[in-house]
Amino acid sequence: QVQLVQSGHEVKKPGASVKVSCKASGYTFTSYGIIWVRQAPGQGLEWMGWISAYNGNTNYAQKFQGRVTMTTDTSTSAAYMELRSLRSDDTAVYYCARKPTGNAVDIWGQGTMVTVSS
Amino acid sequence: EIVLTQSPGTLSLSPGERATLSCRASQSVSNNYLAWYQQKPGQAPRLLIYGASSRATGIPDRFSGSGSGTDFTLTISRLEPEDFAVYYCQQYDSSPQTFGQGTKLEI
Repeated sequence: QVQLVQSGHEVKKPGASVKVSCKASGYTFTSYGIIWVRQAPGQGLEWMGWISAYNGNTNYAQKFQGRVTMTTDTSTSAAYMELRSLRSDDTAVYYCARKPTGNAVDIWGQGTMVTVSS
Repeated sequence: EIVLTQSPGTLSLSPGERATLSCRASQSVSNNYLAWYQQKPGQAPRLLIYGASSRATGIPDRFSGSGSGTDFTLTISRLEPEDFAVYYCQQYDSSPQTFGQGTKLEI
């Protein structure tokens, strides 16, 4: 079935970087985009950006410009989100999700908890 | 950036009752590119409604969406126990594809 499986819990120190992976299966990876969304503890959903799995084009939220890089590997149907210069307020669950062109996000990964603590 | 404001913040109802959740946009959402998601504790969000009024695959018909422009509504006609959760609206018309702050539906 169609699914996105994310990498496991990460614990990082302030100033470090984290790279979260998202492995797709059950569909043609290059026919969809991938978005990344994060959710701080007890808070709402925050859109971080989008990447086309077809050609690698990206669109990042202004808030994360310069600190985030989204990539894909079409040979393994995987997407990656790297966030640098981590701060304590980056502690959150990070989700990847499938984004059809011109339509709403329809499939979500299970989420990856990233904890930033000294 | 389109800001989405959901109301109420918390809605207290009982099973069998009707729930009406609102999502208001700071500017018009073109093509009705507005979705609703349900999120339960410890789970990823689940798509309920896309295009403002189309139900996603497998979503019961007690869920319905309506609205256009800047005002959108999610209605749950008869609440089931499993419907008590947090609901988010999201616009996917323009970047950043913002979410509302959520409405918590509690018993």
